[in-house]
Amino acid sequence: QTVVTQEPSFSVSPGGTVTLTCGLSSGSVSTNYYPTWYQQTAGQAPRTLIYSTDTRSSGVPDRFSGSILGNKAALTITGAQADDESDYYCVLYMGSGIWVFGGGTKLTVL
Amino acid sequence: EVQLVESGGGLVQPGGSLRLSCAASGFTFNSYAMTWVRQAPGKGLEWVSAISGSGGTTYYADSVKGRFTISRDNSKNTLYLQMSSLRAEDTAVYYCGSGNFGTKKFDYWGQGTLVTVSS
Repeated sequence: QTVVTQEPSFSVSPGGTVTLTCGLSSGSVSTNYYPTWYQQTAGQAPRTLIYSTDTRSSGVPDRFSGSILGNKAALTITGAQADDESDYYCVLYMGSGIWVFGGGTKLTVL
Repeated sequence: EVQLVESGGGLVQPGGSLRLSCAASGFTFNSYAMTWVRQAPGKGLEWVSAISGSGGTTYYADSVKGRFTISRDNSKNTLYLQMSSLRAEDTAVYYCGSGNFGTKKFDYWGQGTLVTVSS
């Protein structure tokens, strides 16, 4: 069974730039997997940031961007702010009506 | 404004059943695919099931296939998740989401309802 991989944790300085990645235990992520990125603050519902690799969801600031970097999907946050401190999840569409989430990345801004 | 409100969660014994509901408003319900995603305490998100706008197409994660049934009543703008043969590992907050099968995205989410499976 294919596992979607994410860094368990990451830290960034306020105002800095960070890139989180989303990979596969076997194979490469491409746009065909429709990578989607969610932000989740403790106790809250997920918030959609990016879908279809690089399309920002409504109301999401352009500090958040999505891309394919090498063999992984990537979420880049530029000009990190304190309230960016959250858990970030990617989800990939595996085909045949199946979506698989990564384990999430806990981002610390300090 | 899109609103999704889950209900029906609670404490159930292993082997028991429960039906979750998700009341939708603020959009044309039957035009959108819907999904259920869950989050066990202290764990990450897990996709559970999805259904097309018409209700004619349904999908399930292997972990719930054969035990959970997703359905919708477009006349009531409501999504359901019938859960049976519940196990301790089904304990989680269950979120419903709305989206689009074409772009494979689910972008609006409810606040979730907690299901606890315990004796």
